[in-house]
This record gives sequence, C-alpha cells and structure tokens, in this order.
Amino acid sequence: AQTVTQSQPEMSVQEAETVTLSCTYDTSESDYYLFWYKQPPSRQMILVIRQEAYKQQNATENRFSVNFQKAAKSFSLKISDSQLGDAAMYFCAYRSPYNAGNNRKLIWGLGTSLAVNP
Amino acid sequence: DAGVIQSPRHEVTEMGQEVTLRCKPISGHDYLFWYRQTMMRGLELLIYFNNNVPIDDSGMPEDRFSAKMPNASFSTLKIQPSEPRDSAVYFCASSPFRGGAYNEQFFGPGTRLTVL
Repeated sequence: AQTVTQSQPEMSVQEAETVTLSCTYDTSESDYYLFWYKQPPSRQMILVIRQEAYKQQNATENRFSVNFQKAAKSFSLKISDSQLGDAAMYFCAYRSPYNAGNNRKLIWGLGTSLAVNP
Repeated sequence: DAGVIQSPRHEVTEMGQEVTLRCKPISGHDYLFWYRQTMMRGLELLIYFNNNVPIDDSGMPEDRFSAKMPNASFSTLKIQPSEPRDSAVYFCASSPFRGGAYNEQFFGPGTRLTVL
C-alpha cells in the first residue's frame, strides 16, 4: 500500500523568504499523481500544485514550485517570496494512475503547519 | 461555478442525537468523497461515490455512519447515534472524470461537528 510522509509537523519562514516543505512517499507504481493542498485557517482545502510522475519537468505555479525526485520518492514544495497569506497547513497527497484499481483515493500526509513571520 | 457546497457549516448536538451533513458537488463531477479531519488522525477518507454508487466505504468507522447519494447533485452523511468522539470537521469533495488526467478533488468548506 502507498504511504505519504511529511516529516516536518511545523515550519516557519520570514516574510519574503523562501521555504521548502518535505514530502516523501512509498509506492511500487511507476506512474501516479502527486498533489500539494493548502488549508488556511478558514479550513478550505485548496489545490496548490500537482505533478504527474512521468513528467520529468518540475511543476511551477507562480511562487510555488516542486522538486520532484522520482528515484528518491520525494516531492518537496518550495514557496518563494513568502507572504503572510501563505500561512496554512500544507498537505501532500498521492493518487494511483488512471488504470489502477480504486484509483480515485488520495493518500494523504499528516500535514505541515507553516507560519509566516512578518 | 459555486464550488462544492456543504451544510451546515457548524453543528452542535448532544450525544445520542442524529446528525445529517449535506453536500452538493460541482455540477458535472462524477466522483464524490466524504472525509473526516481531526487533529489526532488527520484527514481520513470515509467513503466515495462514482456516479452516485458507493465505491469504497472501508473508511466508514462503524455502523453508526451511513452515506447516501440519491442523485448526482446531492449527498448526505448521517451519524446515528452521535458520540463525542465523532467531533471533527467533515469535508465533502468532488472530482471530474477525465481519463488519464489529474482529476483533482475540489473541496467544500467543511462542517465542524461538535458532539457534547
């Protein structure tokens, strides 16, 4: 069974600085999808960025980018120019490929709480 | 689109009472998911539906929990009888079906349930 591990329960960063959140996963599948979701204090879960395993190029969405290391099974999230509004819980999630059984389930990490200091 | 709609946003009830949580998924989405979030256990998938049919309910904690999806635009999660340990935030999410694509899940705002 697949697992997702976020080893940093809490992180902090100064406003305008860069921070990297770690995520590792375990799987025997060769193709899969990876996601980072953000949950601010409003508790609304928001998709931040996504990556398909067969794509070697790291995904980027404005100030958010990932470092996807398939061999190491690592999927870290980098937030550049951190803003106060980035303060939230960040969850890493894994999903099996389209043709796998029960492939709609997301496997979630326990989250990293990010504080942004002014 | 209005996004996934959940009601109520907050629910406070007494132990033993029946609780019904409601969800309206995004129009056109084929999948609907119910999650529970607690500090101790994180985000847990309770059940999910495909085209109104339950596909995996292995996360439903016990018989006190039941979920239905009578049509493509409405689902309920019912707890009867409720217990204090059911206190949590319950999320509904929906997802489209596009073969081979990301098919990410879109979440509702959640229902914070407190059972006294």
